[in-house]
Amino acid sequence: KAGVTQTPRYLIKTRGQQVTLSCSPISGHRSVSWYQQTPGQGLQFLFEYFSETQRNKGNFPGRFSGRQFSNSRSEMNVSTLELGDSALYLCASRGQINEQFFGPGTRLTVL
Amino acid sequence: GQQLNQSPQSMFIQEGEDVSMNCTSSSIFNTWLWYKQEPGEGPVLLIALYKAGELTSNGRLTAQFGITRKDSFLNISASIPSDVGIYFCAGQRLNNNDMRFGAGTRLTVKP
Repeated sequence: KAGVTQTPRYLIKTRGQQVTLSCSPISGHRSVSWYQQTPGQGLQFLFEYFSETQRNKGNFPGRFSGRQFSNSRSEMNVSTLELGDSALYLCASRGQINEQFFGPGTRLTVL
Repeated sequence: GQQLNQSPQSMFIQEGEDVSMNCTSSSIFNTWLWYKQEPGEGPVLLIALYKAGELTSNGRLTAQFGITRKDSFLNISASIPSDVGIYFCAGQRLNNNDMRFGAGTRLTVKP
C-alpha cells in the first residue's frame, strides 16, 4: 500500500497571502488529521476529518480551515498568512484501529 | 489541549548503549503510540500499544503500556548511529478522536 502523500513538500509565501495544502491518505483510510509542528510548540493538532465531516478541531484561529473529499483526500487552507504560520504541516491518516500514519509534511515558510 | 509529559528532552549516548524514555499523563489513555522522526520527514510509527500492561517489541525497541494507563515507556537496546532522531509518544482516549503528543526526546548517538 502506498503511504500518506502530501503536496507540495515545500512552499514559500509572503504575509497576507493564502495557501492550500493537500493530503492523500492511505488507501481505505477515511480519517485524516492535520497537525502543525514548530520547534517551540511541538506537534499541535489542527483538525480531523472523517467521511467528509470535520470530527474534531484544535485551538487554532478561523484562518485555518480544511475539507475532505469523497475519495478521502483532504486539503487545508490558511488565509491571511502570518510569519508565525511558518511550520511543518503534517497530515496523518487512520484506518479502523487507532494507528495514525503520517505523511512527509509540507514545509511552509512565510516571509 | 493537554499534552503529554515526555522525558528526557534529549539524550547523548555512545553507540551500543541502551536508551530509555517515558511519557506520563494525568489522564487515562486507551492507546499509546511511539513514533520516530528524522529531519525533514514526518513521524514514522514504531510501536502501538492497546492494553494496560502490554509489552511489545519491534527489533531492538520495546515499549510498554503502563498499568495505570497514564504512562508508557520506550527502550532501545544496543543503540546504533541510525537511531538518531526525535522520538515522540502519543496517546489517545477512547471517546476522543484526536491524539495528544509528547514534546519529543531528541536522541544523539556517538559512534
